[in-house]
Amino acid sequence: DIQMTQSPSTLSASVGDRVTITCRASQNISSWLAWYQQKPGAPPTLLIYKASRLETGVPSRFAGSESGTKFTLTVSSLQPDDFATYYCQQYTTFSPWTFGQGTKVEVK
Amino acid sequence: QVTVKESGPALVRPTQTLTLTCTLSAFYLTKRGVRVSWIRQPPGRALEWLARIDWDDDKFYSPSLRTRLTISKDTSRNQVVLTMTNVDPADTATYYCSTINHWGQGTLVTVSS
Repeated sequence: DIQMTQSPSTLSASVGDRVTITCRASQNISSWLAWYQQKPGAPPTLLIYKASRLETGVPSRFAGSESGTKFTLTVSSLQPDDFATYYCQQYTTFSPWTFGQGTKVEVK
Repeated sequence: QVTVKESGPALVRPTQTLTLTCTLSAFYLTKRGVRVSWIRQPPGRALEWLARIDWDDDKFYSPSLRTRLTISKDTSRNQVVLTMTNVDPADTATYYCSTINHWGQGTLVTVSS
């Protein structure tokens, strides 16, 4: 089964900062990687799918990239609305899916 | 517009079986490529993926919960049902239904005697 290791677990940042969150898959997942944002009391919302494709309506300051089994979510200039918890998820076709452990982005 | 709505009991007793229903609107469970998952989130904790059913009726389960979960779909009602046997207070969580880009608001299930 595929494990996802997400880091850091907490990130302290200020408005305007460039922020990077990383997920590593335990095996090849062929770009089947999604990033979500979750705010307290609400379900997650999809930001990025297929590792780097921006979901419709998501601001362009969010970007996803991949290098082998390492996946990165970058927020180019953190906005007040971006303080939230972020999760990666692998969604390969022929196996159970898994989430990363989450990264809470908090005010520095 | 696709909508997803979870329903089920708010309170379940330990050792009982929990049945959750996901009702999808403007969405076709038999359309090639469609996959519907159940995910849960205990209070203050991370998301945990539970199970998935695909358009062709393939089913996948979390390895740690495989023996307690059953997922099925009713295409006539456009519903996906998850059952979890022998529940425990550790199963207290908000349970979500998702198609990856569409999520329900979740339903909070408390396991307590």
